[in-house]
Amino acid sequence: DIVMTQTPLSLSVTPGQPASISCKSSQSLLHSDGKTYLYWFLHKSGQPPQLLISEVSSRFSGVPDRFSGSGSGTDFTLKISRVEAEDVGVYYCMQSLQLLTFGGGTKVDIK
Amino acid sequence: EVLLLESGGGLVQPGGSLRLSCAASGFTFNRYGMNWVRQAPGKGLEWLSYISGSGTTIYYANSVKGRFTISRDNAENSLYLQMNGLRDEDSALYYCTSMDVWGRGTTVTVSS
Repeated sequence: DIVMTQTPLSLSVTPGQPASISCKSSQSLLHSDGKTYLYWFLHKSGQPPQLLISEVSSRFSGVPDRFSGSGSGTDFTLKISRVEAEDVGVYYCMQSLQLLTFGGGTKVDIK
Repeated sequence: EVLLLESGGGLVQPGGSLRLSCAASGFTFNRYGMNWVRQAPGKGLEWLSYISGSGTTIYYANSVKGRFTISRDNAENSLYLQMNGLRDEDSALYYCTSMDVWGRGTTVTVSS
């Protein structure tokens, strides 16, 4: 099974400042079709999770451009260029190369 | 409006069964693979099962393989999860999702 490891476990950010979350997979997420099956979700309290980024770097419809994804192989990063109050929640990476596996989550709050 | 609405959760004793349902609307249901994902209290997201749009391809997480069965009825725009042999650790909020659309979830509590 592919294991997804996120760091840090939690992050406290001043509004307007950047934030970065790392996600590492136990094996490469690059498929033979050339796509890399790595996704990012935000789970706000009391709401269902929402898709932010698909296939490493494609922002989902309606996701602000302050969110960006990067990486390749086994190492991936979600960056928020300027954190806003509405960005508070738990961020998860997820792979779908072999079945599906979520990372353990990174809790982001505001200082 | 694209919508997923789960139902069927509740309180069940260990060893019991429940059938979750998910009603889809606002999109062409049979074109999308669907999943069940859960979140136990104080824990992260856990993927449980996937079914392809046609229903011909099905996958399960090891934690539920042999106990849970996913199915769908494309004529009714519905997704199901039959859960047998329930354990305390199956207590969670269960989401139906295509990954870009999520329902609000239905709560399953396994307790004697």
